[in-house]
Amino acid sequence: DVQVVQSGAEVKKPGATVKISCEFSGDTFTDYYIHWVQRAPGKGLEWVGRIDLEDGYTKYAEKFQDRVTMTADSSLETAYLELSSLRPEDTAVYYCAAGTTDLLGIPSDFWGEGTLVTVSS
Amino acid sequence: SYELTQPPSVSVSPGQTATITCSGDKLGDKFTCWYQHKPGQSPVLVIYEDTKRPSGIPERFSASHSGNTATLTISGAQALDEADYFCHAWDSGMVVFGGGTKLTVL
Repeated sequence: DVQVVQSGAEVKKPGATVKISCEFSGDTFTDYYIHWVQRAPGKGLEWVGRIDLEDGYTKYAEKFQDRVTMTADSSLETAYLELSSLRPEDTAVYYCAAGTTDLLGIPSDFWGEGTLVTVSS
Repeated sequence: SYELTQPPSVSVSPGQTATITCSGDKLGDKFTCWYQHKPGQSPVLVIYEDTKRPSGIPERFSASHSGNTATLTISGAQALDEADYFCHAWDSGMVVFGGGTKLTVL
């Protein structure tokens, strides 16, 4: 079975950059997309973007476009989310989800447990 | 950008039917999914492709889609169904979530 395991919690100061990871196992890495979804306290789910693990092609939500970078290392079977110029409102749990389509929302999507990113001075 | 609108909250007594709506422009032309999200857990897909229920999701979860409104129905809601529910659709290659509905069962 596919599993995605996310890196541990991070605490960052405003203006800093955070890079969190999502380690994939259980199937062919390059057959999948990795989506990243944000859940901030008191807010809803928000799609951050996705990366095609076959060719590294990315698509970002407009809200995050200027500050987000998604990458993947096929040798480590790990995807990464980097968010720069952090502000307090970026404090959230960030989930990665592995899916075989470029759009979330099918039963064969596999979600990680989430990584808490706290931005505080 | 595309928006999906949900009521902020819905409250029912145990055993009653909970109904959560999701509306959006031309939503009828798109597939809608529904996620259940509880504190400290990952989101769980409870409905996909408008009306389909993934394996393992109880039969009390159902959905419909008419015009520009999708509806999630929980028949005989239980305390363990208390959670935030999010509709989700795709627009121009992007994933869009509704604002979420907090379901209270008490």
